[in-house]
Amino acid sequence: KAGVTQTPRYLIKTRGQQVTLSCSPISGHRSVSWYQQTPGQGLQFLFEYFSETQRNKGNFPGRFSGRQFSNSRSEMNVSTLELGDSALYLCASSLNNEQFFGPGTRLTVL
Amino acid sequence: AQKITQTQPGMFVQEKEAVTLDCTYDTSDQSYGLFWYKQPSSGEMIFLIYQGSYDEQNATEGRYSLNFQKARKSANLVISASQLGDSAMYFCAMREGVGRSNQFYFGTGTSLTVIP
Repeated sequence: KAGVTQTPRYLIKTRGQQVTLSCSPISGHRSVSWYQQTPGQGLQFLFEYFSETQRNKGNFPGRFSGRQFSNSRSEMNVSTLELGDSALYLCASSLNNEQFFGPGTRLTVL
Repeated sequence: AQKITQTQPGMFVQEKEAVTLDCTYDTSDQSYGLFWYKQPSSGEMIFLIYQGSYDEQNATEGRYSLNFQKARKSANLVISASQLGDSAMYFCAMREGVGRSNQFYFGTGTSLTVIP
């Protein structure tokens, strides 16, 4: 069974631009969550999607948004990028008591 | 209050020895799950072990075991027979609202170094 995949793996953007990250969950997993990991703040929950609906949302500004498609694939969008958005963005897919993470997208904002 | 507390920023262990990584949690939910993840320098989060709040037995997965003390709200990870490949960051995490949410709360992590 294939694991969670994330694309792209690395991304370099400049301030003010926007970015879209993609996540394909494990087959059969309907829940997809997104996390931001930075050295200063650690792992912070962004949002969770379940069956195409946002089920939970963390404490991030509206510049961070996401969606989930009918095949459970999810995208995360960050608009008007700031230097502080530089981070590792991790996607996780869940089923019952299992949550598996993808390899992450490392975003650098210059 | 922090949901997950990991008080050991860094730990060292001799190869082939056992090591315990501490984790305490805070929740008022009766139903919750506790998880441990390993994050090597590559960045990927690797699932190690899970303990449900109603599980009476401590969880074990190969060389990993979870020392679950519900009254103390602690969920320490024990790694037996440490290997060089165990050197990584280790994160304790909790999920509340089982069945309603997959929002995980993570601790700040413990950096484990295995010494040959």
